[in-house]
Amino acid sequence: GQNIDQPTEMTATEGAIVQINCTYQTSGFNGLFWYQQHAGEAPTFLSYNVLDGLEEKGRFSSFLSRSKGYSYLLLKELQMKDSASYLCAAQSGGSYIPTFGRGTSLIVHP
Amino acid sequence: DTAVSQTPKYLVTQMGNDKSIKCEQNLGHDTMYWYKQDSKKFLKIMFSYNNKELIINETVPNRFSPKSPDKAHLNLHINSLELGDSAVYFCASSPTSDRNEQYFGPGTRLTVT
Repeated sequence: GQNIDQPTEMTATEGAIVQINCTYQTSGFNGLFWYQQHAGEAPTFLSYNVLDGLEEKGRFSSFLSRSKGYSYLLLKELQMKDSASYLCAAQSGGSYIPTFGRGTSLIVHP
Repeated sequence: DTAVSQTPKYLVTQMGNDKSIKCEQNLGHDTMYWYKQDSKKFLKIMFSYNNKELIINETVPNRFSPKSPDKAHLNLHINSLELGDSAVYFCASSPTSDRNEQYFGPGTRLTVT
């Protein structure tokens, strides 16, 4: 079966850097996504990794190691508006089925 | 312009009733999805359609029946609603079925009493 693990909650200070880890166990893995979801809102796409390495996009970066079944989302220069849930999703199989983790609730405080 | 829209936004109904949720996307995407997000915020895929054809059907009770009249619409009909069906249902779309960069609708909060 598919299994995605990520921490339930993290806290960080405004202006700091935070790393949210995600480990996955899937058969037929073919890509890893990160989404941001503010309370009461829909998830929004942040990043997609299919090859090993770091993908940088502004203040957000995402890393993937396929051999270790591991990814992280790095958020730099944290802002209060970054307080949200961050969802890791592994895509697998011929139908590219996405399996989501339960999300990491990030709280940014002044 | 709304990219992915769902109606209604809120739905309160009694056990045993039948209800439908509608979804439309104006992004020209080929693939659409239905997700259920429970009270613990766990987002789980229910169905996926690619160009009106069903490609993913996860373990979902057959009381749930998706219908895609065209590739811009994917509706969800639920028969004989149960308390456990209470959740937020998200519709989403992606350009193709092999890349899950998904665009989500605003969600429909279903409460079954």
